[in-house]
Amino acid sequence: QVRLVQSGAEVKKPGASVRVSCQASGYTFSAYYIHWVRQAPGQGPEWMGWINPDSGVTNLAQKFQGRVTLTGDPSTTTAFMDLSSLESDDTALYFCARPSPDGYSFLDYWGQGTLVTVS
Amino acid sequence: DIQLTQSPSSLSASVGDRVIITCRASETIRTSLNWYQQKPGKAPKLLIFGASTLKSPVPSRFSGGGSGTDFTLTISSLQPDDFASYYCQQVYTFPLTFGGGTKVDIK
Repeated sequence: QVRLVQSGAEVKKPGASVRVSCQASGYTFSAYYIHWVRQAPGQGPEWMGWINPDSGVTNLAQKFQGRVTLTGDPSTTTAFMDLSSLESDDTALYFCARPSPDGYSFLDYWGQGTLVTVS
Repeated sequence: DIQLTQSPSSLSASVGDRVIITCRASETIRTSLNWYQQKPGKAPKLLIFGASTLKSPVPSRFSGGGSGTDFTLTISSLQPDDFASYYCQQVYTFPLTFGGGTKVDIK
C-alpha cells in the first residue's frame, strides 16, 4: 500500500533553516510528483509547491520562491523540503502528499505531517 | 491567485441531519474543485475530486456538485465519524489554493 512517512517534529529559532523529509513506499517513486502543503494553527491548508522526482523539476508558489528548496532522492525514495530564514509565521504542520497520475488534479495520499515550531 | 470562500465557517448539527457546505471561487474554475475532510492533528483526506466524483471508498452519503464559481458538498445523513473540518481546493491553476474551512461539530 502507498505510504508517506515524514520526519519528526522540529523546533527552530528565527532565522534558522529546517529540512523535512518524506519517505515514500508502495509505489514507483519517480512516477509521481510530490506536493508540499502546510497548515498554520487554526488555518486552512496552504499549498507550497511540487517536485517531479524523476526530473527534479519543481514548481513553487511565488510566496515561497527563494526560501524553499524541494529535492528528491530516488535511491532512497525520499523527498525533502528545505525552508530557510524561518520566522514565527512559519510555525505550522507541514505535509507531503502524492497527487493523481497527472501530477496535480488531486492529492490522495498524505504523510502524517511534521510540526515545525519557530520560537 | 484564486480565492475560495467557504460558508458557513462552522456549523452545529445532529446525527442524521443533512448538511450542505458551499465553496465560492473568485473566478471560474470549471469543475476543477476537490473536497477534503480533516480531523485534528491529521492529514486531510480526499473525499471528492472533479467537483462531483466520489473517491473510493468514501461513503455515498457524501456528494459534490457545481461548476464555474459555485460548489457544494452535501452530507445526506450526518454520522458520528463525520464531525470534522472540511476544505475545498481548486486545481484549475497554480498556485493551488484551499478554502478557509468549515468545522462541523455536534449540536
